[in-house]
Amino acid sequence: DAGVTQSPTHLIKTRGQQVTLRCSPKSGHDTVSWYQQALGQGPQFIFQYYEEEERQRGNFPDRFSGHQFPNYSSELNVNALLLGDSALYLCASSWTSGNLLTDTQYFGPGTRLTVL
Amino acid sequence: AQTVTQSQPEMSVQEAETVTLSCTYDTSESDYYLFWYKQPPSRQMILVIRQEAYKQQNATENRFSVNFQKAAKSFSLKISDSQLGDAAMYFCAYRPRDNAGKSTFGDGTTLTVKP
Repeated sequence: DAGVTQSPTHLIKTRGQQVTLRCSPKSGHDTVSWYQQALGQGPQFIFQYYEEEERQRGNFPDRFSGHQFPNYSSELNVNALLLGDSALYLCASSWTSGNLLTDTQYFGPGTRLTVL
Repeated sequence: AQTVTQSQPEMSVQEAETVTLSCTYDTSESDYYLFWYKQPPSRQMILVIRQEAYKQQNATENRFSVNFQKAAKSFSLKISDSQLGDAAMYFCAYRPRDNAGKSTFGDGTTLTVKP
């Protein structure tokens, strides 16, 4: 059973550039959430996608956007990169039954983004 | 807004001994989930144990157990018979039982296991 996968593993960008991170959910999961984890801190919720729509969003600027595809995979896009965007970006998947989200998120290994 | 606080940035335990990691949270919701996740240096976040707020019985998973005190909004993790492989960053997380389920994490506790 394939778990949550993310690509790429590492990424180095310069300020002002744009980046796209990718996530494939665990088999059978239809909901994808994205988190930003700064060094030495806990993950911060960015947003969640279900049925190809953004369902909930954390306190992140519009520079952070996303997309979910019909196969449930997802992308996180960050525009106009700032030094402070350097972090580990985690994808988590789960399964939504009706309107009730199942109670466990499974995380991918993350993408380490460095902005120079 | 919900908050999760882990007051112990670092903890240390001798191999085979028991250690307890603390977590408190703040919420106005009555129905929610609580989780402990483990993040080894390889960085993959792994679920350790979960607790549903409406269940009075404390969750257990092999050597891992929780002490859930709903009125005190406390959710501590006890690791018994600690092993070298338990060394990692441990995160406490809260999630309301609604249709979106955004998780709020604490800042983590780094656990060192001494041989």
